[in-house]
Amino acid sequence: DQQVKQNSPSLSVQEGRISILNCDYTNSMFDYFLWYKKYPAEGPTFLISISSIKDKNEDGRFTVFLNKSAKHLSLHIVPSQPGDSAVYFCAASGGAGNTPLVFGKGTRLSVIA
Amino acid sequence: DSGVTQTPKHLITATGQRVTLRCSPRSGDLSVYWYQQSLDQGLQFLIHYYNGEERAKGNILERFSAQQFPDLHSELNLSSLELGDSALYFCASSVESGERTEAFFGQGTRLTVV
Repeated sequence: DQQVKQNSPSLSVQEGRISILNCDYTNSMFDYFLWYKKYPAEGPTFLISISSIKDKNEDGRFTVFLNKSAKHLSLHIVPSQPGDSAVYFCAASGGAGNTPLVFGKGTRLSVIA
Repeated sequence: DSGVTQTPKHLITATGQRVTLRCSPRSGDLSVYWYQQSLDQGLQFLIHYYNGEERAKGNILERFSAQQFPDLHSELNLSSLELGDSALYFCASSVESGERTEAFFGQGTRLTVV
């Protein structure tokens, strides 16, 4: 039973355009959501997060949107750059304290120059 | 550099053998998490330790065990290895706080069972 789903295994976008990565979750207890980026042969690195009390969080070129009623979040990258090419993982946690993150299977983003 | 150190980076071993993966968390972090990433799979949570005590267990096989030592480093022991155990094993650490915080990942150990 996958609690966090990334239904698009891959996405190709032209340099300079917007990349939109989507994530759906099923567990209503999740209240903190994160995006991680992973390059080959490296560990995942934290990108941006959002708490369930917000519906948007922005950090430079990266914006995460949360729609709690739809149990859906998305990551927008504008403008996309070739260096953004990586696998992006959506993650969620819920409950008190440091509960373990539940990850989706990832979306491979390719930004074409 | 996340500050989380995992050794070894690569490990090749035969079926039936036992291996130990090591993780040193970021300075000051009390929580250590272990994740497994198999081919085409997301990161599967295995186990969580906080300040030496087991906090949560995920999809960890009985052949696998872990511990966190007084100096906060952690080891993941995998025994009676099978071909299907071949995967990337990641360790992550985070600071314990009342607020939500991200976990920082090491570079992983790639285990190949032949």
